[in-house]
Amino acid sequence: GENVEQHPSTLSVQEGDSAVIKCTYSDSASNYFPWYKQELGKRPQLIIDIRSNVGEKKDQRIAVTLNKTAKHFSLHITETQPEDSAVYFCAASVYSTLTFGKGTMLLVSP
Amino acid sequence: DTEVTQTPKHLVMGMTNKKSLKCEQHMGHRAMYWYKQKAKKPPELMFVYSYEKLSINESVPSRFSPECPNSSLLNLHLHALQPEDSALYLCASSQGGGARETQYFGPGTRLLVL
Repeated sequence: GENVEQHPSTLSVQEGDSAVIKCTYSDSASNYFPWYKQELGKRPQLIIDIRSNVGEKKDQRIAVTLNKTAKHFSLHITETQPEDSAVYFCAASVYSTLTFGKGTMLLVSP
Repeated sequence: DTEVTQTPKHLVMGMTNKKSLKCEQHMGHRAMYWYKQKAKKPPELMFVYSYEKLSINESVPSRFSPECPNSSLLNLHLHALQPEDSALYLCASSQGGGARETQYFGPGTRLLVL
């Protein structure tokens, strides 16, 4: 089955800095890559996603890049704010199931 | 309505109890999912229903029994659970259960088994 590795497990930045979270996947058939943000005690919320026919997608301060050849994708957050502090999960989808990475706890200090 | 709702928010049950978790969506989605999430871990898929039929069971113990009465509702019946089953149970839905579909999560039910 699919295996998704996510790094780093914890990321501490200062407000205004950029943050980058990286994921690799194993199944070349994976074709959909969402990113979820989960605040403490709350539901995972989709923040951005990318499909395999696209190399990059941007939404305001958030961008995702996909390299299908290398089987890795990354989340980029610019101008971080304290409210960006949360756990971020990458995922890869084969057919109808999502396989999640282990998560990155992002801490943004004011 | 663009939300998935779940009840109850919290549940405490003994190992001999029978209880049910409920999930509802009114987005017209035809695929619904149950996930289990332990603290500081990612969600783990348990079951997938597509067009009211169980399409995936990720080798979940029989003490968890899913039910999809109609396209908007998903239940998870619990019986004879173990303390290690304590977790956040998340429901999600997507358009039809096909590839490359966005899954939308409910707020979850936090379950404690004593």
